Amino acid sequence: ETGVTQTPRHLVMGMTNKKSLKCEQHLGHNAMYWYKQSAKKPLELMFVYSLEERVENNSVPSRFSPECPNSSHLFLHLHTLQPEDSALYLCASSQDPSSGANVLTFGAGSRLTVL
Amino acid sequence: GQNIDQPTEMTATEGAIVQINCTYQTSGFNGLFWYQQHAGEAPTFLSYNVLDGLEEKGRFSSFLSRSKGYSYLLLKELQMKDSASYLCAVRDGDYKLSFGAGTTVTVRA
Repeated sequence: ETGVTQTPRHLVMGMTNKKSLKCEQHLGHNAMYWYKQSAKKPLELMFVYSLEERVENNSVPSRFSPECPNSSHLFLHLHTLQPEDSALYLCASSQDPSSGANVLTFGAGSRLTVL
Repeated sequence: GQNIDQPTEMTATEGAIVQINCTYQTSGFNGLFWYQQHAGEAPTFLSYNVLDGLEEKGRFSSFLSRSKGYSYLLLKELQMKDSASYLCAVRDGDYKLSFGAGTTVTVRA
């Protein structure tokens, strides 16, 4: 496996369900990110972890809960979501946020539909 | 807040040139990125500009004017595979990358 892998690729859940999105990077990067992509809207930064510590929490509702157990894995735990949370959730990683261009490598995303 | 504007859609013919403009107003500036995203796929990095001027990479070039808050991505010798969404993004801190809504480019035969 190479790059950034996200599972599941598609998820349909009810408003009362609890589910999790998983992201794994095989690039040896130090930072990992969750972005939300809604149709015709800019990517919205949700969370950033650097060396497994959360360094950015962009005013995201508490029904989204991130977890970063190590530098290669990132989870997004979902509970009591709303239909407007339906979107593509993109995970990304980068080598070192404090230097250089800090190019993000994205996964293909998890398409979430909340019924 | 951050404001990054780019056209919603552009259409061009195979073999032609297309220029995608991006204007930005952000609280800080540590560089401007262009990403390409094919439908259903991950965004992939195309270019990075931190100083004024033109950066050329094969058929793709990116230009930056910091004083004008302006960038463009130039796609030359268009191919059908270039049909995709092109995302302009500004880095305004160590971690924060603010994106525009993307420009969907359709290449016609």
